[in-house]
Amino acid sequence: EIVLTQSPATLSLSPGERATLSCRASVSVTSDLAWYQQKPGQAPRLLIYGASNRATGIPARFSGSGSGTDFTLTISSLEPEDFAVYYCQQRSNWPLTFGGGTKVEIK
Amino acid sequence: QLQLQESGPGLVKPSETLSLSCAVSGASIRSSTYYWGWIRQPPGKGLEWIGSIHSDGTTFYNPSLKSRVTMSVDTSKSHFSLRLTSVTATDTALFYCARIVENWFDTWGQGTLVTVSS
Repeated sequence: EIVLTQSPATLSLSPGERATLSCRASVSVTSDLAWYQQKPGQAPRLLIYGASNRATGIPARFSGSGSGTDFTLTISSLEPEDFAVYYCQQRSNWPLTFGGGTKVEIK
Repeated sequence: QLQLQESGPGLVKPSETLSLSCAVSGASIRSSTYYWGWIRQPPGKGLEWIGSIHSDGTTFYNPSLKSRVTMSVDTSKSHFSLRLTSVTATDTALFYCARIVENWFDTWGQGTLVTVSS
């Protein structure tokens, strides 16, 4: 099973700041990585797939990069609605697995 | 607009079988493009993929749950289902159904909480 390790566990930032979230895979997943956003009481929402492709309706301030084992989700300028938990997910090998999540909280 | 809605008992006794259904509306469950799946999230914890099913009945299960999981699809009623046998307290979780596109979860239901307790 491919293990995805997300860091940091919690990121404390202010609106308008840049957020940089990391996801590291235990083995290479090439570009087979996605990012999801989950707000309290809501289901996750697909943000990025294929490491760098924004899903439908996702604002341009969200961007993904990386390949192999190291990936980054960047939020260029945090909006109030962006404070949430973010998960990465790989599809390179069965079983499909998720990272443990990074909580982006208001500083 | 695609919508998924989970339904099922919110309380299941230990050693019994958890059964959930996901109703699909706004899109055809028969589409060959998609799989349909279940993901669970224990309270305050992360996400775990349970399994995926295609309208032709093809299934993929998480090996950690494979011995206890069965998924099925009813295209005439546009829903798919999950059965998880021999549940324990560690199976208590929020269960989500989702549409799967190329093994990405692109649309999710709102989730249903299932508590395992006597």
